[in-house]
Amino acid sequence: GQQLNQSPQSMFIQEGEDVSMNCTSSSIFNTWLWYKQDPGEGPVLLIALYKAGELTSNGRLTAQFGITRKDSFLNISASIPSDVGIYFCAGQLTKGNTPLVFGKGTRLSVIA
Amino acid sequence: GAVVSQHPSRVICKSGTSVKIECRSLDFQATTMFWYRQFPKQSLMLMATSNEGSKATYEQGVEKDKFLINHASLTLSTLTVTSAHPEDSSFYICSAPDGRLAKSNQPQHFGDGTRLSIL
Repeated sequence: GQQLNQSPQSMFIQEGEDVSMNCTSSSIFNTWLWYKQDPGEGPVLLIALYKAGELTSNGRLTAQFGITRKDSFLNISASIPSDVGIYFCAGQLTKGNTPLVFGKGTRLSVIA
Repeated sequence: GAVVSQHPSRVICKSGTSVKIECRSLDFQATTMFWYRQFPKQSLMLMATSNEGSKATYEQGVEKDKFLINHASLTLSTLTVTSAHPEDSSFYICSAPDGRLAKSNQPQHFGDGTRLSIL
Protein backbone atom coordinates (compact mmCIF):
# COMPACT_ATOMS: atom_id res chain seq x y z
CA GLY A 1 0.00 0.00 0.00
CA GLN A 2 0.91 3.68 -0.01
CA GLN A 3 3.63 4.86 2.32
CA LEU A 4 5.18 8.17 3.21
CA ASN A 5 8.88 8.86 2.65
CA GLN A 6 10.35 9.61 6.05
CA SER A 7 13.93 10.68 6.71
CA PRO A 8 16.35 10.24 8.22
CA GLN A 9 15.96 6.56 9.02
CA SER A 10 18.00 6.92 12.20
CA MET A 11 19.84 9.60 14.14
CA PHE A 12 22.46 9.61 16.87
CA ILE A 13 22.72 12.95 18.64
CA GLN A 14 24.21 14.46 21.76
CA GLU A 15 21.92 15.49 24.59
CA GLY A 16 20.98 19.15 24.17
CA GLU A 17 21.14 19.13 20.39
CA ASP A 18 18.20 19.98 18.17
CA VAL A 19 16.66 17.34 15.90
CA SER A 20 14.80 17.61 12.62
CA MET A 21 13.01 14.93 10.64
CA ASN A 22 10.59 15.10 7.74
CA CYS A 23 8.11 13.26 5.60
CA THR A 24 7.22 13.70 1.97
CA SER A 25 4.65 12.26 -0.35
CA SER A 26 3.76 12.34 -4.01
CA SER A 27 0.10 12.65 -2.99
CA ILE A 28 -1.72 15.46 -1.24
CA PHE A 29 -2.62 14.71 2.36
CA ASN A 30 -5.29 16.59 4.29
CA THR A 31 -4.04 15.72 7.76
CA TRP A 32 -0.52 15.14 9.05
CA LEU A 33 0.25 13.62 12.43
CA TRP A 34 3.42 12.81 14.32
CA TYR A 35 3.67 9.91 16.77
CA LYS A 36 6.37 8.52 19.07
CA GLN A 37 6.61 4.80 19.75
CA ASP A 38 8.58 3.24 22.59
CA PRO A 39 9.54 -0.47 22.44
CA GLY A 40 6.60 -2.80 23.01
CA GLU A 41 4.05 -0.01 23.13
CA GLY A 42 1.59 1.64 20.79
CA PRO A 43 2.31 4.99 19.11
CA VAL A 44 1.57 8.08 21.20
CA LEU A 45 0.26 11.18 19.46
CA LEU A 46 2.63 14.16 19.61
CA ILE A 47 1.17 16.71 17.22
CA ALA A 48 -1.78 16.79 14.80
CA LEU A 49 -1.88 19.23 11.85
CA TYR A 50 -5.02 20.01 9.88
CA LYS A 51 -4.30 23.02 7.65
CA ALA A 52 -1.68 23.66 4.99
CA GLY A 53 1.00 25.94 6.40
CA GLU A 54 -0.01 25.24 10.00
CA LEU A 55 2.84 25.40 12.51
CA THR A 56 2.12 23.82 15.88
CA SER A 57 4.21 23.37 19.02
CA ASN A 58 3.96 20.94 21.90
CA GLY A 59 6.61 21.81 24.47
CA ARG A 60 10.01 21.28 22.82
CA LEU A 61 8.38 19.81 19.72
CA THR A 62 7.36 21.83 16.69
CA ALA A 63 5.74 20.48 13.53
CA GLN A 64 4.59 22.06 10.30
CA PHE A 65 2.08 21.05 7.64
CA GLY A 66 3.75 21.86 4.32
CA ILE A 67 2.12 24.48 2.12
CA THR A 68 1.91 22.04 -0.79
CA ARG A 69 0.20 19.50 1.53
CA LYS A 70 2.77 16.93 0.41
CA ASP A 71 5.19 17.21 3.29
CA SER A 72 5.63 17.83 7.00
CA PHE A 73 8.52 18.21 9.39
CA LEU A 74 9.04 17.67 13.10
CA ASN A 75 11.68 19.50 15.14
CA ILE A 76 12.77 18.63 18.65
CA SER A 77 14.75 21.27 20.47
CA ALA A 78 17.27 20.67 23.26
CA SER A 79 16.98 16.89 23.18
CA ILE A 80 16.99 14.89 26.40
CA PRO A 81 17.54 11.15 27.00
CA SER A 82 13.82 10.38 27.23
CA ASP A 83 13.39 11.58 23.63
CA VAL A 84 14.84 8.24 22.57
CA GLY A 85 12.39 6.21 20.52
CA ILE A 86 10.94 5.83 17.06
CA TYR A 87 9.09 8.77 15.55
CA PHE A 88 6.49 8.16 12.86
CA CYS A 89 4.79 10.60 10.58
CA ALA A 90 1.31 9.67 9.44
CA GLY A 91 -1.14 11.21 7.03
CA GLN A 92 -4.74 11.02 6.02
CA LEU A 93 -5.66 11.40 2.38
CA THR A 94 -9.10 12.63 3.35
CA LYS A 95 -10.42 14.08 6.61
CA GLY A 96 -12.76 12.13 8.83
CA ASN A 97 -12.71 8.50 9.94
CA THR A 98 -10.18 7.31 7.42
CA PRO A 99 -7.10 5.19 8.06
CA LEU A 100 -3.58 6.53 8.44
CA VAL A 101 -0.70 6.06 6.05
CA PHE A 102 2.60 5.82 7.92
CA GLY A 103 6.18 6.69 7.23
CA LYS A 104 8.87 4.10 7.97
CA GLY A 105 9.94 5.87 11.12
CA THR A 106 13.00 7.71 12.41
CA ARG A 107 14.90 5.95 15.18
CA LEU A 108 16.34 8.55 17.54
CA SER A 109 19.20 7.81 19.91
CA VAL A 110 20.36 10.45 22.39
CA ILE A 111 23.82 10.23 23.89
CA ALA A 112 24.06 11.76 27.33
CA GLY B 1 -3.90 9.02 30.44
CA ALA B 2 -4.76 6.37 27.88
CA VAL B 3 -7.80 6.99 25.72
CA VAL B 4 -7.72 3.65 23.91
CA SER B 5 -7.34 0.42 25.85
CA GLN B 6 -6.14 -2.79 24.21
CA HIS B 7 -6.15 -6.21 25.82
CA PRO B 8 -4.32 -8.53 26.21
CA SER B 9 -0.87 -6.98 25.91
CA ARG B 10 0.81 -10.28 25.22
CA VAL B 11 -0.29 -13.73 24.10
CA ILE B 12 1.81 -16.84 23.69
CA CYS B 13 -0.04 -19.89 22.43
CA LYS B 14 0.20 -23.05 20.39
CA SER B 15 -0.33 -23.25 16.66
CA GLY B 16 -4.00 -23.77 15.79
CA THR B 17 -5.34 -21.69 18.67
CA SER B 18 -7.71 -18.80 18.04
CA VAL B 19 -6.88 -15.57 19.82
CA LYS B 20 -9.19 -12.65 20.52
CA ILE B 21 -7.86 -9.11 20.99
CA GLU B 22 -10.06 -6.33 22.38
CA CYS B 23 -9.85 -2.62 21.64
CA ARG B 24 -11.88 -0.18 23.72
CA SER B 25 -12.30 3.56 23.41
CA LEU B 26 -12.36 5.22 26.82
CA ASP B 27 -14.37 8.42 27.41
CA PHE B 28 -15.66 8.57 23.83
CA GLN B 29 -17.58 6.61 21.24
CA ALA B 30 -15.94 5.31 18.10
CA THR B 31 -18.07 4.22 15.16
CA THR B 32 -14.86 3.41 13.33
CA MET B 33 -11.71 1.77 14.61
CA PHE B 34 -8.65 0.57 12.74
CA TRP B 35 -6.48 -2.51 13.12
CA TYR B 36 -2.80 -2.38 12.20
CA ARG B 37 -0.03 -4.93 12.18
CA GLN B 38 3.63 -4.18 12.83
CA PHE B 39 6.56 -6.51 12.21
CA PRO B 40 9.87 -5.95 14.04
CA LYS B 41 11.66 -2.77 13.00
CA GLN B 42 8.97 -1.92 10.50
CA SER B 43 6.16 0.59 10.26
CA LEU B 44 2.47 0.05 10.92
CA MET B 45 0.46 -1.47 8.10
CA LEU B 46 -3.32 -1.19 7.99
CA MET B 47 -5.13 -4.52 8.11
CA ALA B 48 -8.77 -3.51 8.29
CA THR B 49 -11.30 -0.85 9.17
CA SER B 50 -13.81 -1.84 11.82
CA ASN B 51 -17.27 -0.31 11.45
CA GLU B 52 -19.84 -0.33 14.24
CA GLY B 53 -22.96 -2.18 13.16
CA SER B 54 -21.65 -3.26 9.77
CA LYS B 55 -18.99 -5.42 8.16
CA ALA B 56 -15.34 -4.56 8.43
CA THR B 57 -13.43 -3.58 5.31
CA TYR B 58 -10.15 -5.39 4.76
CA GLU B 59 -7.00 -4.29 3.00
CA GLN B 60 -5.79 -6.21 0.00
CA GLY B 61 -4.05 -9.41 1.02
CA VAL B 62 -5.66 -9.63 4.46
CA GLU B 63 -7.86 -12.70 4.81
CA LYS B 64 -11.21 -11.79 6.31
CA ASP B 65 -11.87 -15.38 7.40
CA LYS B 66 -8.53 -15.48 9.16
CA PHE B 67 -8.85 -12.14 10.93
CA LEU B 68 -12.41 -11.82 12.18
CA ILE B 69 -13.48 -8.35 13.27
CA ASN B 70 -16.52 -7.55 15.37
CA HIS B 71 -17.55 -4.01 16.29
CA ALA B 72 -20.67 -4.72 18.29
CA SER B 73 -20.75 -1.54 20.36
CA LEU B 74 -19.67 2.06 20.04
CA THR B 75 -16.71 1.52 22.35
CA LEU B 76 -15.47 -1.97 21.53
CA SER B 77 -13.93 -3.67 18.53
CA THR B 78 -12.46 -7.16 18.63
CA LEU B 79 -9.98 -8.87 16.33
CA THR B 80 -9.92 -12.66 16.41
CA VAL B 81 -6.98 -14.42 14.79
CA THR B 82 -8.44 -17.79 13.91
CA SER B 83 -6.35 -20.97 13.87
CA ALA B 84 -3.19 -18.95 14.36
CA HIS B 85 0.12 -20.16 12.92
CA PRO B 86 3.70 -19.01 13.56
CA GLU B 87 3.59 -16.64 10.57
CA ASP B 88 0.76 -14.77 12.32
CA SER B 89 3.14 -13.81 15.12
CA SER B 90 3.32 -10.02 15.14
CA PHE B 91 2.44 -6.86 17.04
CA TYR B 92 -1.23 -5.96 16.52
CA ILE B 93 -2.35 -2.41 17.31
CA CYS B 94 -5.76 -0.77 17.17
CA SER B 95 -6.63 2.89 16.86
CA ALA B 96 -9.73 5.03 17.19
CA PRO B 97 -10.47 8.59 16.06
CA ASP B 98 -11.00 10.88 19.04
CA GLY B 99 -14.79 11.18 19.17
CA ARG B 100 -14.61 14.05 21.66
CA LEU B 101 -13.48 16.44 18.92
CA ALA B 102 -15.06 17.86 15.75
CA LYS B 103 -15.35 15.27 12.98
CA SER B 104 -12.88 16.98 10.68
CA ASN B 105 -10.21 17.19 13.39
CA GLN B 106 -10.18 13.82 15.13
CA PRO B 107 -6.65 12.52 15.59
CA GLN B 108 -6.32 8.78 16.00
CA HIS B 109 -5.22 7.41 19.33
CA PHE B 110 -3.61 4.00 19.57
CA GLY B 111 -3.87 1.18 22.03
CA ASP B 112 -0.72 -0.23 23.61
CA GLY B 113 -0.66 -3.14 21.19
CA THR B 114 -0.82 -6.91 21.56
CA ARG B 115 2.28 -8.98 20.97
CA LEU B 116 1.15 -12.31 19.58
CA SER B 117 3.60 -15.20 19.60
CA ILE B 118 2.51 -18.49 18.07
CA LEU B 119 4.66 -21.51 18.90
